[in-house]
Amino acid sequence: DIQMTQSPSSLSASVGDRVTITCRASQSITRYLNWYQFKSGKAPKLLIYAASNLQGGVPSRFSGSGSGTDFTLTISSLQPEDFATYYCQQSYSIRPLTFGGGTRVEIK
Amino acid sequence: QITLKESGPTLVRPTQTLTLTCTFSGFSLTTSGVGVGWIRQSPGKAPQWLTLIYWDDDKLYNPSLRSRLTITKDTSKNQVVLTMTNMDPVDTATYYCARLTTMVNVLDYWGQGTLVTVSS
Repeated sequence: DIQMTQSPSSLSASVGDRVTITCRASQSITRYLNWYQFKSGKAPKLLIYAASNLQGGVPSRFSGSGSGTDFTLTISSLQPEDFATYYCQQSYSIRPLTFGGGTRVEIK
Repeated sequence: QITLKESGPTLVRPTQTLTLTCTFSGFSLTTSGVGVGWIRQSPGKAPQWLTLIYWDDDKLYNPSLRSRLTITKDTSKNQVVLTMTNMDPVDTATYYCARLTTMVNVLDYWGQGTLVTVSS
């Protein structure tokens, strides 16, 4: 299985801050990397697919970059609705699809 | 508008079989390149992918749970059904269904999830 490692596991930030979350794969996954936002009681939301493509309807303050084994999700100016847990997920190998351990973004 | 919704029991006894239904709208599981999958998330843990079924009825399972899982579809009802046998308290989790598009194997639309507790 391809292991996905996210860092940090949690962070505290203020509204307006720039936030960066990293994800590392245990082997090259080229650009088969997706980012999701999870909030309790809500449907998880796809933010970024194929490393850097913004899903329709997602605010442009979200961006993704990287290839190979190292990837980054950036929120350029944190908004109140962005406090959530973020997960990366590789789709290079579908047997099985695997997720990172998550990054919880909390209010400072 | 694409929506998915999970339904099924909220409480299951150990050793019982869990059956969950995903009812979706806004797309068809007869369209080439489309699949529906199940993912679960135990409290405080990362999501775990369980299984996928494709428009052509091909099926994939997480190898770690393969012996306990079955996925089927009813395209006339726009439903996908997950069964998981021999439930254990460690299977307590929120179970999600999601649409997958095969172009980049991304889960682009998700249901809200349903919490299943396994307890005697």
